[in-house]
Amino acid sequence: DVKVTQSSRYLVKRTGEKVFLECVQDMDHENMFWYRQDPGLGLRLIYFSYDVKMKEKGDIPEGYSVSREKKERFSLILESASTNQTSMYLCASSRVPGRGNTIYFGEGSWLTVV
Amino acid sequence: AQSVTQPDIHITVSEGASLELRCNYSYGATPYLFWYVQSPGQGLQLLLKYFSGDTLVQGIKGFEAEFKRSQSSFNLRKPSVHWSDAAEYFCAVADPDTDKLIFGTGTRLQVFP
Repeated sequence: DVKVTQSSRYLVKRTGEKVFLECVQDMDHENMFWYRQDPGLGLRLIYFSYDVKMKEKGDIPEGYSVSREKKERFSLILESASTNQTSMYLCASSRVPGRGNTIYFGEGSWLTVV
Repeated sequence: AQSVTQPDIHITVSEGASLELRCNYSYGATPYLFWYVQSPGQGLQLLLKYFSGDTLVQGIKGFEAEFKRSQSSFNLRKPSVHWSDAAEYFCAVADPDTDKLIFGTGTRLQVFP
């Protein structure tokens, strides 16, 4: 089974702190994604990466950055956390882009910024 | 622009009743469509997907969905709902070149015994 692991399930951080959310996949997938989920808004794409050291902005990249130093790991970084970044963050991965891919999701990371 | 609409925010059904969750999409080319389910506090699990071919797609847990191009719809159905089906359901359309997903806002399903 494909496994997408988000190591931190629940975090509480203070405003202004730097926050790292880590995601690891074990299926040698090329694509990795970070989504944010908020009630009534569904899931929105923050960033994605189609290769090591490559990244592309999604729909809501402001206030976030990402890092992909190794193929299996994709990190989401909040340089200076703010209360409006309190949310659930979901990581996903898929094989080389192409038709017919299944996109697999992690369990999610609940972040509260106080 | 691509978009997905799930017009029902919340649906309540009795256990054993049939279920249909609505999904409408806006996409210029042939869409790649997905239904995911999310139990409370969990990630998303793929129920089924449509890329081409037969417009009636079978998924896991007894779910099916029908792609209707003329109505721009991809509704999810189940003939008999179980209490364990209570969850939130998301419809999504994918960009075939990047696998980026655009999600609807979700439908929360409540099941009464």
